[in-house]
Amino acid sequence: KQEVTQIPAALSVPEGENLVLNCSFTDSAIYNLQWFRQDPGKGLTSLLLIQSSQREQTSGRLNASLDKSSGRSTLYIAASQPGDSATYLCAVSSSQGGKLIFGQGTELSVKP
Amino acid sequence: DAGVTQSPTHLIKTRGQHVTLRCSPISGHKSVSWYQQVLGQGPQFIFQYYEKEERGRGNFPDRFSARQFPNYSSELNVNALLLGDSALYLCASSFKAQRGANTGELFFGEGSRLTVL
Repeated sequence: KQEVTQIPAALSVPEGENLVLNCSFTDSAIYNLQWFRQDPGKGLTSLLLIQSSQREQTSGRLNASLDKSSGRSTLYIAASQPGDSATYLCAVSSSQGGKLIFGQGTELSVKP
Repeated sequence: DAGVTQSPTHLIKTRGQHVTLRCSPISGHKSVSWYQQVLGQGPQFIFQYYEKEERGRGNFPDRFSARQFPNYSSELNVNALLLGDSALYLCASSFKAQRGANTGELFFGEGSRLTVL
């Protein structure tokens, strides 16, 4: 049974810091991995998707890496801003468009 | 282009009542899935529908049911509501190719916040 864990559960940093959010999964037989952002009481916004054959994806100040063999992914946020404050969720899928298994999220607070 | 739209955005029900939540996928997306997110937790998979057929079901009781219509919109129904059904219900759509590789990226709506009193 696939399980996804995110560490840390909460993180508070001063503005401008580079930071890394961690995600681990127990079954390496994944189709893809997605990182999402969720603002309080809102839906999920897709940030990055990494296919199982890929090692990393980049979008602006965000970079996500994937190491299937070790069951790990990291989300790197460069030069953090107060607007980055949100909960970040990672999720893995074992098939195309299939169900996602989510971690519990990392709540990020970036202080001005 | 419109994203995934869900209605209603908020609703309050009492125990034992029934609720219907609605979802319209992104134009061109034929796969719709439903998730339940309890406060402080990650979303949990409830159902996936593709081409009007159920393609996956999570570990939820039979009080939960869903369907997909010819225009690919979907409804989630929950009968005999319990206090524990209070949650944010999220709908996601994806473009599921018949053949060949596809990213399988899921796009979520803003959710329907259900409160059961």
